[in-house]
Amino acid sequence: GQNIDQPTEMTATEGAIVQINCTYQTSGFNGLFWYQQHAGEAPTFLSYNVLDGLEEKGRFSSFLSRSKGYSYLLLKELQMKDSASYLCAVRFTGGGNKLTFGTGTQLKVEL
Amino acid sequence: DVKVTQSSRYLVKRTGEKVFLECVQDMDHENMFWYRQDPGLGLRLIYFSYDVKMKEKGDIPEGYSVSREKKERFSLILESASTNQTSMYLCASSPIGQGLYEQYFGPGTRLTVT
Repeated sequence: GQNIDQPTEMTATEGAIVQINCTYQTSGFNGLFWYQQHAGEAPTFLSYNVLDGLEEKGRFSSFLSRSKGYSYLLLKELQMKDSASYLCAVRFTGGGNKLTFGTGTQLKVEL
Repeated sequence: DVKVTQSSRYLVKRTGEKVFLECVQDMDHENMFWYRQDPGLGLRLIYFSYDVKMKEKGDIPEGYSVSREKKERFSLILESASTNQTSMYLCASSPIGQGLYEQYFGPGTRLTVT
């Protein structure tokens, strides 16, 4: 199968930094996406990685290591509004633009 | 701004009813997708379409069918609704091509089958 693994829940403090990990099967890998989903709302796109390294977008960064089948999403200067589910999704070759999603990491930001 | 709309936010149907969920996108995207989202299981792909009248099964197509008669519209059909189809249904669209294109999601339809 094309399992995508990420932690179920994480808790962090406002103003801190949190890293959400994602591991996936490396065979046929063709790109990795991160989405944010607030309760009751649609997922919204955060970032994608296709090459190794770090992609930075403001307070959010995403890292990829293709050889290790590993990615993380780094959130800096956490705010209460960052409390949401973070979804890791992988595109595999031969699937067009089809994505396989992990089950999501529920992040709770506390004071 | 890409806009993906779904016909209903909330829907309640009875077991055995035929259910239609509609999705419309306004960005001329070739790809359209139907997912269901359940606690602990994440987003699972039901069907997708990469062109008008073209469709491919996703990971969990059983009990569902789809229709794409126009490029902007992708319909999900539950031929005979069952209680295990109670779920959040999300539609998405994206362009086609070799580039890395994100999917744009609609607001979702929460379907309850009683």
